Amino acid sequence: AQRVTQPEKLLSVFKGAPVELKCNYSYSGSPELFWYVQYSRQRLQLLLRHISRESIKGFTADLNKGETSFHLKKPFAQEEDSAMYYCALDTTSYGKLTFGQGTILTVHP
Amino acid sequence: NAGVTQTPKFQVLKTGQSMTLQCAQDMNHNSMYWYRQDPGMGLRLIYYSASEGTTDKGEVPNGYNVSRLNKREFSLRLESAAPSQTSVYFCASSELGLAGGDEQFFGPGTRLTVL
Repeated sequence: AQRVTQPEKLLSVFKGAPVELKCNYSYSGSPELFWYVQYSRQRLQLLLRHISRESIKGFTADLNKGETSFHLKKPFAQEEDSAMYYCALDTTSYGKLTFGQGTILTVHP
Repeated sequence: NAGVTQTPKFQVLKTGQSMTLQCAQDMNHNSMYWYRQDPGMGLRLIYYSASEGTTDKGEVPNGYNVSRLNKREFSLRLESAAPSQTSVYFCASSELGLAGGDEQFFGPGTRLTVL
C-alpha cells in the first residue's frame, strides 16, 4: 500500500532563513504528488502539484523518484508562511489522496 | 460561490447516538470525498464518490455510511457514534476525479466530539 511520511511534526525557522519541509513516499509506480497548506482559520488548500512544475508563493518542490521524495523548499521564509503543510500522494484514478502526517511550520520574526 | 460548505461546524454526541454530516458544493464537481483529521495521523479518506450515483470505501470506512444525494450533496452518517470517532471531518470535491491529479477543494470542517 502507498504511504507518505513527513518526518518533522514541527519545524521552526527565522524570517529570511531557508526552509525545507521533507516528504517521502512509498509507491512503485508513477505518482502524482501535491503539497496542501492550511493557514490559521482557513481551509486546507492546494499549494502546488508536481505535474505543474510551478513556484507558488516562492515555494518549489521537486520530485525525486530515486529517493522517492518530494521536499518543499523556499529560499527565504516569511512570517505569513507559518501554517500546517501536508504532502499528499495520488496513485489511483478517482483522486483518492493519501496524506502525510503534516508539518507545522512556524516562522519567527 | 460558496465552494464547499459543511454543516454543522461543531457537534457533541454521546456514545451510541447517530448523526449525519452534510456537505454541498456549488462548483459542479463530479467527485466528492470525506476525510477525518486526527493529530499525528494527517487526513485519512473515509469514503469517496467518483461521480453522482457511485460511492466507494476509502482507508477508514468502518462505522460510517455515505449517500451521494445528487451531484451537489454528499452526506456522511455515523449510525452509532463511538469515542474513537472524535475527530475533525472534512469534505472535499474535485472536478474530474477519474483522471486523478486534480486539485481538491475543501470545506471548513466539522469538529465532532463523542463522549
